[in-house]
Amino acid sequence: EDKVVQSPLSLVVHEGDTVTLNCSYEVTNFRSLLWYKQEKKAPTFLFMLTSSGIEKKSGRLSSILDKKELFSILNITATQTGDSAVYLCAGGPGAGTYKYIFGTGTRLKVLA
Amino acid sequence: GAVVSQHPSRVICKSGTSVKIECRSLDFQATTMFWYRQFPKQSLMLMATSNEGSKATYEQGVEKDKFLINHASLTLSTLTVTSAHPEDSSFYICSASWDRVTNTEAFFGQGTRLTVV
Repeated sequence: EDKVVQSPLSLVVHEGDTVTLNCSYEVTNFRSLLWYKQEKKAPTFLFMLTSSGIEKKSGRLSSILDKKELFSILNITATQTGDSAVYLCAGGPGAGTYKYIFGTGTRLKVLA
Repeated sequence: GAVVSQHPSRVICKSGTSVKIECRSLDFQATTMFWYRQFPKQSLMLMATSNEGSKATYEQGVEKDKFLINHASLTLSTLTVTSAHPEDSSFYICSASWDRVTNTEAFFGQGTRLTVV
């Protein structure tokens, strides 16, 4: 059965800290992994990763995929209170079906 | 990024009634739309995938007669919860994608919180 597991389930840090969120996956015909940030309502897209070892960056956020070990990490440096959210990752088979399996998310709280 | 609008954002209905939720892609043509359900502090669970002009594909365990999905145009998909019961109370989110070939990311609507009383 396909599954995506995220760790830790929750995390509390102070502003300025660096955090690493983990996502491991077992997805049939895996092709890509997505990261989303979910605050109060709909998730907002962060990254899509399809190639192993290539880091994607957006400001203080970065992510990388390891297709051999079947995991991805999301790094947030110099955290701010606005980073507090649930971070979701999803693994999918990609083109043709677009069926993604979501992890349960990591709830991040950044304290001032 | 692309915009997906979901309506209503919140609805309260009586047990036994039906509720329709709309998902619109505002600035692109969505060949495929996805409907998810999310329970408190849990992840998104895919309910069904709908392709414009064809029947939706439901995930195992999702009752197709209870959760009616219609994707009549490239910009609109609807989810109707029929004969709603309190256990159907949940957060429903749609997402839309325009290109299955190159595997672009999906864009999410704002979600609809359904409360059945």
